[in-house]
Amino acid sequence: AQSVTQPDIHITVSEGASLELRCNYSYGATPYLFWYVQSPGQGLQLLLKYFSGDTLVQGIKGFEAEFKRSQSSFNLRKPSVHWSDAAEYFCAVGADTGRRALTFGSGTRLQVQP
Amino acid sequence: NAGVTQTPKFQVLKTGQSMTLQCAQDMNHNSMYWYRQDPGMGLRLIYYSASEGTTDKGEVPNGYNVSRLNKREFSLRLESAAPSQTSVYFCASRPTGQETQYFGPGTRLLVL
Repeated sequence: AQSVTQPDIHITVSEGASLELRCNYSYGATPYLFWYVQSPGQGLQLLLKYFSGDTLVQGIKGFEAEFKRSQSSFNLRKPSVHWSDAAEYFCAVGADTGRRALTFGSGTRLQVQP
Repeated sequence: NAGVTQTPKFQVLKTGQSMTLQCAQDMNHNSMYWYRQDPGMGLRLIYYSASEGTTDKGEVPNGYNVSRLNKREFSLRLESAAPSQTSVYFCASRPTGQETQYFGPGTRLLVL
Protein backbone atom coordinates (compact mmCIF):
# COMPACT_ATOMS: atom_id res chain seq x y z
CA ALA A 1 0.00 0.00 0.00
CA GLN A 2 1.17 3.48 -0.75
CA SER A 3 1.65 6.10 1.94
CA VAL A 4 2.88 9.65 2.34
CA THR A 5 4.53 11.23 5.36
CA GLN A 6 4.86 14.93 5.93
CA PRO A 7 6.92 15.16 9.12
CA ASP A 8 6.31 18.83 9.79
CA ILE A 9 2.81 19.68 10.95
CA HIS A 10 3.48 23.39 11.23
CA ILE A 11 6.30 25.61 9.93
CA THR A 12 6.86 29.32 10.47
CA VAL A 13 9.23 31.31 8.26
CA SER A 14 9.94 34.99 7.83
CA GLU A 15 8.89 36.73 4.65
CA GLY A 16 11.76 36.61 2.17
CA ALA A 17 13.33 33.54 3.74
CA SER A 18 13.73 30.27 1.90
CA LEU A 19 11.37 27.37 2.45
CA GLU A 20 11.61 23.60 2.28
CA LEU A 21 8.67 21.34 3.06
CA ARG A 22 9.45 17.68 3.47
CA CYS A 23 7.60 14.77 1.95
CA ASN A 24 8.47 11.08 2.09
CA TYR A 25 6.50 8.43 0.27
CA SER A 26 6.18 4.70 0.19
CA TYR A 27 5.23 3.10 -3.09
CA GLY A 28 6.20 -0.12 -4.82
CA ALA A 29 6.83 1.25 -8.29
CA THR A 30 7.67 4.57 -9.86
CA PRO A 31 5.32 7.01 -8.19
CA TYR A 32 3.34 9.87 -9.53
CA LEU A 33 3.93 12.70 -7.04
CA PHE A 34 2.04 15.90 -6.46
CA TRP A 35 2.08 18.98 -4.28
CA TYR A 36 -1.20 20.77 -3.67
CA VAL A 37 -1.81 23.99 -1.76
CA GLN A 38 -4.94 24.87 0.17
CA SER A 39 -5.56 28.45 1.24
CA PRO A 40 -7.92 28.99 4.17
CA GLY A 41 -11.48 28.09 3.23
CA GLN A 42 -10.47 27.18 -0.29
CA GLY A 43 -10.12 24.04 -2.35
CA LEU A 44 -6.90 22.36 -3.42
CA GLN A 45 -4.76 23.92 -6.10
CA LEU A 46 -2.09 21.92 -7.91
CA LEU A 47 1.38 23.41 -7.43
CA LEU A 48 3.42 20.88 -9.37
CA LYS A 49 3.70 17.24 -10.29
CA TYR A 50 6.31 14.64 -11.11
CA PHE A 51 5.71 11.68 -13.36
CA SER A 52 9.09 10.94 -14.94
CA GLY A 53 12.13 12.57 -16.48
CA ASP A 54 13.94 15.49 -14.91
CA THR A 55 13.87 15.04 -11.15
CA LEU A 56 13.68 18.77 -10.48
CA VAL A 57 10.24 20.06 -11.40
CA GLN A 58 9.05 23.61 -11.54
CA GLY A 59 5.58 24.65 -10.50
CA ILE A 60 3.43 27.70 -10.17
CA LYS A 61 4.06 30.62 -7.80
CA GLY A 62 7.83 30.06 -7.87
CA PHE A 63 7.77 26.64 -6.22
CA GLU A 64 9.94 23.70 -7.20
CA ALA A 65 10.33 20.14 -5.95
CA GLU A 66 13.02 17.53 -6.30
CA PHE A 67 12.34 13.81 -6.62
CA LYS A 68 14.99 11.69 -4.91
CA ARG A 69 14.34 8.01 -5.46
CA SER A 70 17.14 6.89 -3.11
CA GLN A 71 15.56 8.83 -0.25
CA SER A 72 11.91 8.27 -1.26
CA SER A 73 11.46 12.00 -0.98
CA PHE A 74 9.77 14.77 -2.91
CA ASN A 75 10.54 17.96 -1.00
CA LEU A 76 8.98 21.28 -1.95
CA ARG A 77 11.13 24.41 -2.03
CA LYS A 78 10.83 28.12 -2.62
CA PRO A 79 13.79 30.52 -2.54
CA SER A 80 11.91 33.50 -1.10
CA VAL A 81 8.58 33.20 0.66
CA HIS A 82 5.84 35.80 0.29
CA TRP A 83 3.13 36.51 2.86
CA SER A 84 0.56 35.17 0.39
CA ASP A 85 2.21 31.73 0.59
CA ALA A 86 0.69 31.16 4.02
CA ALA A 87 -1.50 28.10 3.53
CA GLU A 88 -1.58 24.36 4.04
CA TYR A 89 0.49 22.21 1.73
CA PHE A 90 -0.26 18.62 0.86
CA CYS A 91 2.01 16.07 -0.74
CA ALA A 92 0.27 13.21 -2.55
CA VAL A 93 1.22 10.04 -4.37
CA GLY A 94 -0.82 8.48 -7.12
CA ALA A 95 -0.86 5.01 -8.63
CA ASP A 96 -0.36 4.45 -12.34
CA THR A 97 -3.04 1.80 -12.53
CA GLY A 98 -6.58 1.13 -11.42
CA ARG A 99 -8.62 3.90 -9.93
CA ARG A 100 -5.56 6.14 -9.67
CA ALA A 101 -6.78 7.69 -6.45
CA LEU A 102 -4.39 9.93 -4.58
CA THR A 103 -2.96 9.14 -1.17
CA PHE A 104 -2.32 12.33 0.73
CA GLY A 105 0.01 13.24 3.53
CA SER A 106 -1.43 14.91 6.59
CA GLY A 107 -0.34 18.33 5.44
CA THR A 108 2.05 21.07 6.58
CA ARG A 109 0.64 24.40 7.66
CA LEU A 110 2.89 27.29 6.67
CA GLN A 111 2.83 30.54 8.59
CA VAL A 112 4.72 33.55 7.23
CA GLN A 113 5.97 36.23 9.62
CA PRO A 114 6.39 39.81 8.38
CA ASN B 1 -15.56 26.87 -17.91
CA ALA B 2 -16.29 26.44 -14.20
CA GLY B 3 -14.18 23.29 -13.61
CA VAL B 4 -15.45 21.30 -10.63
CA THR B 5 -18.32 22.80 -8.68
CA GLN B 6 -19.79 21.62 -5.38
CA THR B 7 -22.99 22.49 -3.57
CA PRO B 8 -23.69 23.42 -0.86
CA LYS B 9 -20.61 25.20 0.47
CA PHE B 10 -21.65 24.71 4.06
CA GLN B 11 -24.30 22.61 5.77
CA VAL B 12 -25.36 21.90 9.34
CA LEU B 13 -27.25 18.68 10.02
CA LYS B 14 -28.68 17.03 13.06
CA THR B 15 -27.77 13.44 13.82
CA GLY B 16 -29.96 11.11 11.78
CA GLN B 17 -30.81 13.59 9.05
CA SER B 18 -30.02 12.83 5.45
CA MET B 19 -28.58 14.97 2.72
CA THR B 20 -26.92 14.83 -0.68
CA LEU B 21 -23.74 16.63 -1.61
CA GLN B 22 -23.66 17.61 -5.26
CA CYS B 23 -20.64 17.69 -7.54
CA ALA B 24 -20.46 18.57 -11.20
CA GLN B 25 -17.63 19.01 -13.68
CA ASP B 26 -17.70 20.55 -17.13
CA MET B 27 -14.34 19.23 -18.35
CA ASN B 28 -15.68 16.02 -19.90
CA HIS B 29 -13.67 13.90 -17.47
CA ASN B 30 -14.52 10.24 -17.03
CA SER B 31 -13.16 9.65 -13.53
CA MET B 32 -14.58 11.34 -10.47
CA TYR B 33 -13.77 11.05 -6.76
CA TRP B 34 -15.15 11.94 -3.36
CA TYR B 35 -12.68 12.61 -0.53
CA ARG B 36 -13.12 13.73 3.04
CA GLN B 37 -10.62 15.92 4.85
CA ASP B 38 -10.19 15.72 8.60
CA PRO B 39 -7.69 17.63 10.74
CA GLY B 40 -4.28 16.00 10.81
CA MET B 41 -5.28 13.26 8.39
CA GLY B 42 -5.06 14.74 4.91
CA LEU B 43 -7.68 13.62 2.42
CA ARG B 44 -9.11 10.11 2.33
CA LEU B 45 -10.99 8.52 -0.55
CA ILE B 46 -14.66 7.74 0.08
CA TYR B 47 -15.83 6.63 -3.37
CA TYR B 48 -14.61 6.58 -6.91
CA SER B 49 -16.37 6.48 -10.27
CA ALA B 50 -14.57 5.48 -13.45
CA SER B 51 -17.46 6.40 -15.72
CA GLU B 52 -21.19 6.97 -15.86
CA GLY B 53 -23.03 4.23 -14.01
CA THR B 54 -19.98 2.74 -12.27
CA THR B 55 -18.83 3.32 -8.71
CA ASP B 56 -16.29 1.74 -6.40
CA LYS B 57 -15.65 1.98 -2.67
CA GLY B 58 -12.61 3.79 -1.41
CA GLU B 59 -10.86 3.81 1.94
CA VAL B 60 -13.73 5.12 4.09
CA PRO B 61 -17.08 4.31 2.41
CA ASN B 62 -19.16 3.38 5.47
CA GLY B 63 -22.19 5.63 5.97
CA TYR B 64 -22.13 6.96 2.42
CA ASN B 65 -23.71 6.18 -0.92
CA VAL B 66 -22.92 7.67 -4.29
CA SER B 67 -24.62 8.09 -7.61
CA ARG B 68 -23.12 8.72 -11.05
CA LEU B 69 -26.13 9.14 -13.30
CA ASN B 70 -24.29 10.97 -16.05
CA LYS B 71 -20.78 11.99 -16.99
CA ARG B 72 -20.98 15.44 -15.40
CA GLU B 73 -22.40 14.73 -11.98
CA PHE B 74 -21.30 12.60 -9.03
CA SER B 75 -23.35 12.94 -5.86
CA LEU B 76 -22.58 11.77 -2.33
CA ARG B 77 -25.44 10.88 -0.01
CA LEU B 78 -25.50 10.58 3.75
CA GLU B 79 -28.59 8.55 4.64
CA SER B 80 -28.36 9.02 8.40
CA ALA B 81 -25.77 11.57 9.37
CA ALA B 82 -23.53 10.98 12.38
CA PRO B 83 -21.22 13.40 14.22
CA SER B 84 -18.26 11.36 12.93
CA GLN B 85 -19.16 12.55 9.46
CA THR B 86 -18.39 16.14 10.36
CA SER B 87 -15.72 16.96 7.82
CA VAL B 88 -14.85 18.87 4.69
CA TYR B 89 -15.81 16.98 1.55
CA PHE B 90 -13.98 17.41 -1.72
CA CYS B 91 -14.97 16.23 -5.14
CA ALA B 92 -12.37 15.77 -7.86
CA SER B 93 -12.27 14.71 -11.48
CA ARG B 94 -9.55 13.33 -13.72
CA PRO B 95 -9.29 13.06 -17.49
CA THR B 96 -8.70 9.62 -18.96
CA GLY B 97 -5.03 8.87 -19.52
CA GLN B 98 -3.82 11.61 -17.21
CA GLU B 99 -2.85 11.48 -13.57
CA THR B 100 -3.74 14.96 -12.36
CA GLN B 101 -6.95 15.39 -10.40
CA TYR B 102 -8.85 18.66 -10.35
CA PHE B 103 -10.60 19.54 -7.12
CA GLY B 104 -13.74 21.42 -6.30
CA PRO B 105 -13.92 24.10 -3.56
CA GLY B 106 -15.27 21.69 -0.96
CA THR B 107 -18.38 21.34 1.21
CA ARG B 108 -18.01 21.92 4.92
CA LEU B 109 -20.42 19.67 6.84
CA LEU B 110 -21.20 19.91 10.53
CA VAL B 111 -23.28 17.16 12.12
CA LEU B 112 -24.62 17.99 15.57
